[in-house]
Amino acid sequence: AQSVSQHNHHVILSEAASLELGCNYSYGGTVNLFWYVQYPGQHLQLLLKYFSGDPLVKGIKGFEAEFIKSKFSFNLRKPSVQWSDTAEYFCAVGRWETSGSRLTFGEGTQLTVNP
Amino acid sequence: SAVISQKPSRDICQRGTSLTIQCQVDSQVTMMFWYRQQPGQSLTLIATANQGSEATYESGFVIDKFPISRPNLTFSTLTVSNMSPEDSSIYLCSVASAQETQYFGPGTRLLVL
Repeated sequence: AQSVSQHNHHVILSEAASLELGCNYSYGGTVNLFWYVQYPGQHLQLLLKYFSGDPLVKGIKGFEAEFIKSKFSFNLRKPSVQWSDTAEYFCAVGRWETSGSRLTFGEGTQLTVNP
Repeated sequence: SAVISQKPSRDICQRGTSLTIQCQVDSQVTMMFWYRQQPGQSLTLIATANQGSEATYESGFVIDKFPISRPNLTFSTLTVSNMSPEDSSIYLCSVASAQETQYFGPGTRLLVL
């Protein structure tokens, strides 16, 4: 069965620190990869996605992620975090099947950025 | 992206009762999904809501407990039947067109006493 693993469940950083959140998945076929973010009191929003092409994808608010196929990884990065980045981050893997798309989510990483 | 609304936004229910959650999107979409996010946990797909046919349920979820309707391309309902405290969760619908990205609604926060 497909699974998604996020290595860090809670990350605490100071403003201006660099961020990298790990995401690994287990599926040998073609996948689409996503990072979603849930800010406090808000609903889940798409941060960035990878379908094909350049494995380094850029998203909103200065976030980027790199797809490394050989490592089954899709880590999220940001060079300098802000207090407003405090949120929960979810990695998700999608497979497109005849029955439609199915997303499997990781456990989530709670990021706290201290001012 | 589509604008998705859910009703109710939150509810407190007694065990043994049922609650129907509505999901409305402002444009026609191919796919609609229902997820559950239990306290402190990630999202788990309950089922795919199919227009004009029975929903496709994931392992561990059954139609008797979570009946789903999708009468058209912009609307779906999820019923949580015969509720118990273990059903306390956030229930989210999401939508996608063709093989595109899924976008999520604001969620329905359910507490069962």
